[in-house]
Amino acid sequence: DTAVSQTPKYLVTQMGNDKSIKCEQNLGHDTMYWYKQDSKKFLKIMFSYNNKELIINETVPNRFSPKSPDKAHLNLHINSLELGDSAVYFCASSQGYQVGPRTYFGPGTRLTVT
Amino acid sequence: EDQVTQSPEALRLQEGESSSLNCSYTVSGLRGLFWYRQDPGKGPEFLFTLYSAGEEKEKERLKATLTKKESFLHITAPKPEDSATYLCAVTTGNQFYFGTGTSLTVIP
Repeated sequence: DTAVSQTPKYLVTQMGNDKSIKCEQNLGHDTMYWYKQDSKKFLKIMFSYNNKELIINETVPNRFSPKSPDKAHLNLHINSLELGDSAVYFCASSQGYQVGPRTYFGPGTRLTVT
Repeated sequence: EDQVTQSPEALRLQEGESSSLNCSYTVSGLRGLFWYRQDPGKGPEFLFTLYSAGEEKEKERLKATLTKKESFLHITAPKPEDSATYLCAVTTGNQFYFGTGTSLTVIP
């Protein structure tokens, strides 16, 4: 009965490769997010989708492209991976977004670029 | 510039030793402040939402308070299972900012 799930949990890859992280929520929420947490534990929002529509798109390289096939899924594709992309990526969801409602986070995907 | 700062970075307490964690913020038009708990290798877990100065929320040994400039998370008689990183986040409605967290260790 996992609320927000993401795969894979660990991802080790080489510079220059393209990789994807998948996320699914079964809470019936209309908003989904991608967050990046760096080595200093700083959590920063990358993207937010509300009803499959891009709402927030922070200053993130174009190599990162989110895709939302439906309200329950938000995948993150990363092209031409760089060393600095190494971090933990969290998917999250909430019902509504404008007042920062209670957000449910997935378990994270630890990406290591070598 | 909108900013969220948490202190201390790390805190070690003896079991039963009460203390407080601080979250200071400078944002234009605060719409809400949130506290999350994060265990190693897991995603943040929601604890509280505070919307206006003077508001307080409690859950077991935790109590969150909010003023116009900061929020405190008070931990009363902590237990080892309270050990985790506690994250503060604020929203202006359109933007959402996290602090860097306080790593709490409670020693038996």
